[in-house]
Amino acid sequence: NAGVTQTPKFRVLKTGQSMTLLCAQDMNHEYMYWYRQDPGMGLRLIHYSVGEGTTAKGEVPDGYNVSRLKKQNFLLGLESAAPSQTSVYFCASNDQSSGNTIYFGEGSWLTVV
Amino acid sequence: KNQVEQSPQSLIILEGKNCTLQCNYTVSPFSNLRWYKQDTGRGPVSLTIMTFSENTKSNGRYTATLDADTKQSSLHITASQLSDSASYICVVSGADSWGKFQFGAGTQVVVTP
Repeated sequence: NAGVTQTPKFRVLKTGQSMTLLCAQDMNHEYMYWYRQDPGMGLRLIHYSVGEGTTAKGEVPDGYNVSRLKKQNFLLGLESAAPSQTSVYFCASNDQSSGNTIYFGEGSWLTVV
Repeated sequence: KNQVEQSPQSLIILEGKNCTLQCNYTVSPFSNLRWYKQDTGRGPVSLTIMTFSENTKSNGRYTATLDADTKQSSLHITASQLSDSASYICVVSGADSWGKFQFGAGTQVVVTP
């Protein structure tokens, strides 16, 4: 099982550029999440989805958009990248079948210059 | 204010020694508490999970305790190994917000030979 897979792993963007991070999970989980992790802070929820075709805002959604067109995929888009979006992004998934275990991807390192 | 506070922020221990990490939370009503290990450059991986009715859970050399009355948890690492060098993250879920998690900022543990 691959679990949760994120692509790309590393990316450098110029301010104002757009990009999409892809998250794929092969565990048939209903819930998927996008977090960002910054030094000295806990993981912060950007957006999440409770099922195919649904999305909801998390704690820090501004500047990001998401889509869940297929149950196994959760895309995170940056419309116009800003230096403040330099961070490590983690995708995660879980549902009732996984008990209370959250499965995380390996992270995507994004630098905006 | 973060609803999950971890201490210490970082610690250095000698290989073979024991250490204890602390997690205090204010999330209410409480559902469960998880401890995750995050190696540098990797995604978090689950160590233990406890509900309000459990007060201790072990996973190899890792033992977590929970006092739901005082809203405190600890993670004890026994006979530390170099591979224990990582960030340890406390994650708390509320009973009224399934799928939403509060993350602590983590404790960075460095095990030295």
